[in-house]
Formats: sequence, structure tokens, C-alpha cells
Amino acid sequence: SQKIEQNSEALNIQEGKTATLTCNYTNYSPAYLQWYRQDPGRGPVFLLLIRENEKEKRKERLKVTFDTTLKQSLFHITASQPADSATYLCALAGGSTLGRLYFGRGTQLTVWP
Amino acid sequence: DAGVTQSPTHLIKTRGQQVTLRCSPKSGHDTVSWYQQALGQGPQFIFQYYEEEERQRGNFPDRFSGHQFPNYSSELNVNALLLGDSALYLCASGTLDRANTGELFFGEGSRLTVL
Repeated sequence: SQKIEQNSEALNIQEGKTATLTCNYTNYSPAYLQWYRQDPGRGPVFLLLIRENEKEKRKERLKVTFDTTLKQSLFHITASQPADSATYLCALAGGSTLGRLYFGRGTQLTVWP
Repeated sequence: DAGVTQSPTHLIKTRGQQVTLRCSPKSGHDTVSWYQQALGQGPQFIFQYYEEEERQRGNFPDRFSGHQFPNYSSELNVNALLLGDSALYLCASGTLDRANTGELFFGEGSRLTVL
């Protein structure tokens, strides 16, 4: 079955630094990979989508890379701020299960001043 | 424009009881998906509805059932509740093409506690 691993449960960085989160997957060939943000007690919020034929995607301070050979995605937040503190979820979609998202457990990011 | 709305926000049930959770999708969206999120875990896919039909189903027992109405709203029903059903139940909506790529709008969830 599909397995999605996010590099660590928690990541703590200083304000202004770049946060890098990792998502690795096995037993799946996704056509699409997404990153979501989730605050405590709230629903996930969609941030970025990257397709299997794209290497990199940017949106403001966010950057996502997608390496289908390594089966890995990296998610970067540059010039991080305390307001970026949240749990970030990696999700995969595509193939015969189109319409279904497979989520990782998430990485809890804390940005301290 | 209201986003995805879910009700109730919190509820407590006892083992063996039945529960119905409700979801209204974001305006313009025609697909609704349901996810279960246990504490400290990522959301797990339950099923997706489109045109009032169950389009995809995850690895959940038949105790979990759903429905989509002509106005695109949806219900999730869980029968014979178990302690392990305690979780945050998330509803997500999207247009069909966006839902296929994984661009979903989530509600704030219904927190179910089974005692």
C-alpha cells in the first residue's frame, strides 16, 4: 500500500530563516502532489500543487520541488515568520484512485522570534 | 462567500450509537469528500461523492455510509460506533477537475468523541 513519510514530526527554526520540509513516498506513482497547512483544531488549507512533469513551483515565499525518481518532494518557506507556525501536510493524488488524496502525518513547524 | 460548512462542530456519543454529520460545500463546488483524522495523524480518505454517487471509497467498513443531495450537500453516517471512531471528521469540496488534482477546500471539521 502507499506510504508517505514526512521527515520529522517537528521542526523548530528562527524567524527569517528558510524552513525545509521533506516528503518521501513509496508504492505509488502520483500524478499530483500537494502541500496543505493545518492549524490546531482547524481543517487543512491548500497551499500548492505540483504535477509529475514539473520540477519546481513557487508561490510568494513558498517553493515546492518534486523528484519522481527519488520519490521525494521538498517544501521551502523562505524568510519564515512566527505566523508560519503550523502543521504542514504532504498529499498525493492521481492514477486509478483519482479523486482520493493520500496524506502524510505532517510536520509541525515552529518559527520562533 | 461561505466556505465549506460542517455541523455539528463537536459531539459526544457512546459505543453502539449512530451519528450523522453534515456538510455544505463551497458555492460552485460539485464534489464532496470525507476524511477521518485521528489525533496526530494525517487525514484518511473515507469516500468521495459526485452527482449523488459514491465515486471512490477508502478502506473503511460498511458502518460508514454517506449521501449527496441534489444541492451538493452531503451527510456522513456512522453506525455501531466504536471507541476507535473518535476523530476529527473533515469534509472537503471542489470542482471535479480540481478535486482530481487534489485542490480541495476543507471545512473546520466535526470532532466526534465516542465514550
